[in-house]
Amino acid sequence: DPKIIQKPKYLVAVTGSEKILICEQYLGHNAMYWYRQSAKKPLEFMFSYSYQKLMDNQTASSRFQPQSSKKNHLDLQITALKPDDSATYFCASSQDLGTGCAETLYFGSGTRLTVL
Amino acid sequence: AQSVTQPDARVTVSEGASLQLRCKYSYSATPYLFWYVQYPRQGLQLLLKYYSGDPVVQGVNGFEAEFSKSNSSFHLRKASVHWSDSAVYFCAVSLPSSNTDKVVFGTGTRLQVSP
Repeated sequence: DPKIIQKPKYLVAVTGSEKILICEQYLGHNAMYWYRQSAKKPLEFMFSYSYQKLMDNQTASSRFQPQSSKKNHLDLQITALKPDDSATYFCASSQDLGTGCAETLYFGSGTRLTVL
Repeated sequence: AQSVTQPDARVTVSEGASLQLRCKYSYSATPYLFWYVQYPRQGLQLLLKYYSGDPVVQGVNGFEAEFSKSNSSFHLRKASVHWSDSAVYFCAVSLPSSNTDKVVFGTGTRLQVSP
């Protein structure tokens, strides 16, 4: 059974709309992350959370807003969607936040977003 | 800024042949080093990681990697590849005691194992 569930697997949206990407992890981890993977760029770090607190934000645009209602949930809300937002968005988790130690990241299978 | 370079975007090898995937990092200190693999339509999975000790580290499915401080490299190897090893392989770095709390990935190397 997958330990990190991302929903939906595929998502098609129109320019200007808003979507929420869902992520739940059942590994008992304290840290969660969002990464983005597109054809033009390598796997790109977006956010890190630890105990539901935002720790790092490397996303330039405020259109991307993570939301953590529970420790094992980290959703990603994207507003005013643009075609350049088309990518696969991966949720990941680790036991704790990777500071000063070699934390292993566990990834979900991703949500492939296409913005028309 | 720390960075990781995978110079080969695509590698093709025959089944049963040996494999080396290259990775070089750019930082004055030795970071934590990782190799992850991504199979089609899946998320990334850890193959192995290194942070100290023996420069040759063993991973899953017969993979190993060798750290070289002098070359700032962390190349991945396998003695005999199988068709199921076809995937995209990512080298990654994380700086110890960093405040950035993030793992930086290379651009990936797509491995195709031919029969």
